[in-house]
Amino acid sequence: GAGVSQSPRYKVAKRGQDVALRCDPISGHVSLFWYQQALGQGPEFLTYFQNEAQLDKSGLPSDRFFAERPEGSVSTLKIQRTQQEDSAVYLCASSLQGVGEKLFFGSGTQLSVL
Amino acid sequence: AQSVTQPDIHITVSEGASLELRCNYSYGATPYLFWYVQSPGQGLQLLLKYFSGDTLVQGIKGFEAEFKRSQSSFNLRKPSVHWSDAAEYFCAVSSGGYQKVTFGTGTKLQVIP
Repeated sequence: GAGVSQSPRYKVAKRGQDVALRCDPISGHVSLFWYQQALGQGPEFLTYFQNEAQLDKSGLPSDRFFAERPEGSVSTLKIQRTQQEDSAVYLCASSLQGVGEKLFFGSGTQLSVL
Repeated sequence: AQSVTQPDIHITVSEGASLELRCNYSYGATPYLFWYVQSPGQGLQLLLKYFSGDTLVQGIKGFEAEFKRSQSSFNLRKPSVHWSDAAEYFCAVSSGGYQKVTFGTGTKLQVIP
């Protein structure tokens, strides 16, 4: 497609369940970012990939959060043993490459943990 | 560490009136600065960005922003607001490099007829 695609659009999980969120970046984009946006807040950085290499995971809130991009294109953000405080919109963004490149954002996955 | 402050959580303007959204940043060197807009159900869209050069930058949809180093500010402006501009606006800063971007908490713009 022409833009960044995220699936599912909505996800409801029971506390303690594992979830996997998918991001399809724009074809050819080297950089991929995951952000978490809580209600009424700005996006908070989670992690960054350059191709398949995860260069920064300093924003992941706990070891229950794990991200991968094994072939340098599609990325998956996995949250194990979900908790209520994980409820948020998870945004994926990609950019072609380079310093200060424009980020292209997906519409996000809204995760609700009950 | 870099940070961004957007002091106005919510702003209401009349259609046709001028608009200024405030943004202050904290960063030691020359920052890369951005304004993004988020409409309901939509992904964030870049309005404009500043890296260097002319401190007044033009963006899409008639928006502009001015970088003022002395005030650590990067305020967004539009001379005449349209109803379709109602959305949430985020200021963001990056240190460059691999471009980790830090966002502010956003300003929600309401436009009244």
